[in-house]
Amino acid sequence: NAGVTQTPKFQVLKTGQSMTLQCAQDMNHNSMYWYRQDPGMGLRLIYYSASEGTTDKGEVPNGYNVSRLNKREFSLRLESAAPSQTSVYFCASSEKGRLNTEAFFGQGTRLTVV
Amino acid sequence: GENVEQHPSTLSVQEGDSAVIKCTYSDSASNYFPWYKQELGKRPQLIIDIRSNVGEKKDQRIAVTLNKTAKHFSLHITETQPEDSAVYFCAASRRNFGNEKLTFGTGTRLTIIP
Repeated sequence: NAGVTQTPKFQVLKTGQSMTLQCAQDMNHNSMYWYRQDPGMGLRLIYYSASEGTTDKGEVPNGYNVSRLNKREFSLRLESAAPSQTSVYFCASSEKGRLNTEAFFGQGTRLTVV
Repeated sequence: GENVEQHPSTLSVQEGDSAVIKCTYSDSASNYFPWYKQELGKRPQLIIDIRSNVGEKKDQRIAVTLNKTAKHFSLHITETQPEDSAVYFCAASRRNFGNEKLTFGTGTRLTIIP
C-alpha cells in the first residue's frame, strides 16, 4: 500500500499563475482533506470531502477550489496564486465512523509563490 | 467551530526527563483527540489518540490524559530520548457520522538535549 500520495513535492509559481495539487489514496477511505501548514499556525483545514461528490469548506478556503474526482482522488486548485499561498500543503484521508479514525497524511507539497 | 489551543510552543528537556504538552478545546461535543508527531521535513503521523469515554491512555513511554469537564487534554512523554525531538500537534474532532474534520493546535517544537 502506498497510503496517501501527493504530487508534486515542490513547486514554484509566479503570482497569478494557476496549478492543481493532486492527491490519491489507496486505503478505500471515504473522508479526504487538504491542509496548509505555516510556521506557528499549525495545520489549517482548507477543504474537506466526506465522500465522493461532496465537499465542504474548512477554516481557510479563500483562493482555493477542490474536486473529489472519485473515491481515491481529491485535488486542490489555485486559480490565481498569491504570495500568501506560499505554504506546505498536506492531503490526508481517514475512514468515517467511530472506529479506524486515524488520519493518514501525504508527504506534502512545498509551494512557493513569487 | 472548534478551536484548539496548544502550549507551550517550544519545549526543551534533558534526555531522560519527562515532557508535557497541554491542549484545550472549545467544542464540548468533540469526542476524539489524537496527537501527531512531525519530524523535520516529514508528514505528521499519529502517535496516540483518546476518545471521550476514556480518561487516560498509555502506550509505552507516551500517555494522554483527558479532562472533559475542563475541556483539556495532555501528552506526557517519559524517559525522553533524542528521537523524541520533533513537532507535536494535538487535535480534536467530533466523530459523528459524516463529520470527521480534525482541528489542530498550533504545535509544540520539542527538543531533547543530550
